[in-house]
Amino acid sequence: AAGVIQSPRHLIKEKRETATLKCYPIPRHDTVYWYQQGPGQDPQFLISFYEKMQSDKGSIPDRFSAQQFSDYHSELNMSSLELGDSALYFCASSLAGGIQRRSTEAFFGQGTRLTVV
Amino acid sequence: KQEVTQIPAALSVPEGENLVLNCSFTDSAIYNLQWFRQDPGKGLTSLLLIQSSQREQTSGRLNASLDKSSGRSTLYIAASQPGDSATYLCAVTNYGQNFVFGPGTRLSVLP
Repeated sequence: AAGVIQSPRHLIKEKRETATLKCYPIPRHDTVYWYQQGPGQDPQFLISFYEKMQSDKGSIPDRFSAQQFSDYHSELNMSSLELGDSALYFCASSLAGGIQRRSTEAFFGQGTRLTVV
Repeated sequence: KQEVTQIPAALSVPEGENLVLNCSFTDSAIYNLQWFRQDPGKGLTSLLLIQSSQREQTSGRLNASLDKSSGRSTLYIAASQPGDSATYLCAVTNYGQNFVFGPGTRLSVLP
């Protein structure tokens, strides 16, 4: 079965550079989430999209932005990178269909490990 | 604001033991609760999803229960194996909102 695909798997950037992380959700899933997981920490919510519109926003720095495209893939753009941005970035997708938008089971990608040097 | 806690933070057991991992959440108005497994430096693998209207879910040696009113869920692992060693995270969702994760329980199953 198709899973959530993230690219690249690993990324090394220097301080003040920019990075773009990509996420391809499971086909027919309408909701995409982005999470950041620092070393030894639990995943922290950054931002989510439902049907290509931003649906919720968490602790995402102003230096970061994200969008969901017409084919439902999503990109997380990170600018002016800082050492503290080094983390594992996860994308997840789910199907939140219906008026009440009750989220169903979420599936996570393998993550992108970003290292800022 | 939803907060999720997990007890214990770490657990080490000999192979073959049955064990229970606990998850608590502060806002009982959840829509579902999901248990994940994470190996070091790896992604999150979904283990079980419990909808708010359900009391438990089972998959193989895993059984998860949900008591919404008390804000608790337990993950029961039967006949533990060394391959079960990983961090187990629970996450809850409220209406139209993202998943809120607990800090996880690091499980080590010793051969």
